[in-house]
Amino acid sequence: AQRVTQPEKLLSVFKGAPVELKCNYSYSGSPELFWYVQYSRQRLQLLLRHISRESIKGFTADLNKGETSFHLKKPFAQEEDSAMYYCALGVQGAQKLVFGQGTRLTINP
Amino acid sequence: GAVVSQHPSWVICKSGTSVKIECRSLDFQATTMFWYRQFPKQSLMLMATSNEGSKATYEQGVEKDKFLINHASLTLSTLTVTSAHPEDSSFYICSARDGRHSYEQYFGPGTRLTVT
Repeated sequence: AQRVTQPEKLLSVFKGAPVELKCNYSYSGSPELFWYVQYSRQRLQLLLRHISRESIKGFTADLNKGETSFHLKKPFAQEEDSAMYYCALGVQGAQKLVFGQGTRLTINP
Repeated sequence: GAVVSQHPSWVICKSGTSVKIECRSLDFQATTMFWYRQFPKQSLMLMATSNEGSKATYEQGVEKDKFLINHASLTLSTLTVTSAHPEDSSFYICSARDGRHSYEQYFGPGTRLTVT
C-alpha cells in the first residue's frame, strides 16, 4: 500500500537556524515526490517536486530511494517560512497524490 | 495562472438536506479534478478523482451515492453531499490538473461545510 509518513506534527526552530522536515514513503512502484505548503489562511500550493531538482525559497529536497525518504531542508530559516508543510507521493497509473499528515513549522524570531 | 476557485467558501445546512459545492479552473482546462476532505488538524484525504465526461473514481470507503461528483466540462466539477448528516461536517477541497504536467495539482481554497 502507498503511504507517506511525516513523523513530526510540530517543528519549531529559531530564525536563521537550519530546518529539516522529514518525509518517508512506502510505494512499490517508481515514486514521484512533492512538497506542498499551506501558509496561514491560504490554499495549498506546490513548493517543489523531486524530478525538477530545484530550490524554491531556499528549500531543497533530495529523493533517497534507499532510505525511501524525501526530506525538506533549508539552511537558514526565515520567519515567513512558518506554515503547514505536506509531503505527497504521486502514484503512477492512478495519477493521484497521497499526502502525509503534515508538519506545522514555526519559525521563532 | 492556474487558479482554482470553489463556491461557496462556507455553507451551513440542516440534516437531511443536500448541498452542492462547485470547483472551477479559471484559466486552464482541467482534464482531471480531485476532491479531498480534511478533518481538523489532519491531512487531506482523497475522496474521488473525476475526469471530464466520465464517471468519478471513488476511493475505498467513500460512498458514491452520498458524495455525487459531476465533471461536466473541462472547467467545472461539482460535489453534492446528499442527505447530509452532522458527521459530514468537514472542510472539502478540490484540486485540478491541467494534463500538461505529470502530477501537478492546483488547489482551491476549500469549502467549510457545517451540518446542523
